[in-house]
Amino acid sequence: SAVISQKPSRDICQRGTSLTIQCQVDSQVTMMFWYRQQPGQSLTLIATANQGSEATYESGFVIDKFPISRPNLTFSTLTVSNMSPEDSSIYLCSVEEDGSEQYFGPGTRLTVT
Amino acid sequence: GESVGLHLPTLSVQEGDNSIINCAYSNSASDYFIWYKQESGKGPQFIIDIRSNMDKRQGQRVTVLLNKTVKHLSLQIAATQPGDSAVYFCAERPPSNDYKLSFGAGTTVTVRA
Repeated sequence: SAVISQKPSRDICQRGTSLTIQCQVDSQVTMMFWYRQQPGQSLTLIATANQGSEATYESGFVIDKFPISRPNLTFSTLTVSNMSPEDSSIYLCSVEEDGSEQYFGPGTRLTVT
Repeated sequence: GESVGLHLPTLSVQEGDNSIINCAYSNSASDYFIWYKQESGKGPQFIIDIRSNMDKRQGQRVTVLLNKTVKHLSLQIAATQPGDSAVYFCAERPPSNDYKLSFGAGTTVTVRA
């Protein structure tokens, strides 16, 4: 399976600021996804990061709040903009392989104060 | 929208016993299911998957059972070990060409020594 890394692994940020999270994969993948996992909760899909085009956002998530870049087939970024304490979560990227299996990165643990 | 759910939020198991983790899904058209294990401080780890044209699939110490009649999925772990302590999520994929997954609430498994 693909090896996925994320930076930063964790951060503590002040409200009103923005944080950009990086996701790097060791092989080229077509499908990349960004998820949010609030404390003690399950995973919720934020958006699908498409290479060469705008990301596709799920209901309840908007580009102004969570802009995403996908400059190539091995890299993507998610920015959490104008943060509030409610944005405190684990943010996870994942990649799809072989038309089905989906693998996750280690996550970025964000605390907004 | 439809979502995947789990019957029990917690499961305590004696080391060496078999574990059974249950999952109820609501989208009868879902054609692919995955079980993930998430240890504290880590991203979800792929355990095993099953397609809707199967009712059973075995891996190393794990078996996934799919009952499409009652829309039920289960994960059986044989000879549970302390390293199996984690949160387990089931995920379903409704039929489409976008590979999105919908996650259940998660079951916390604690292995007693």
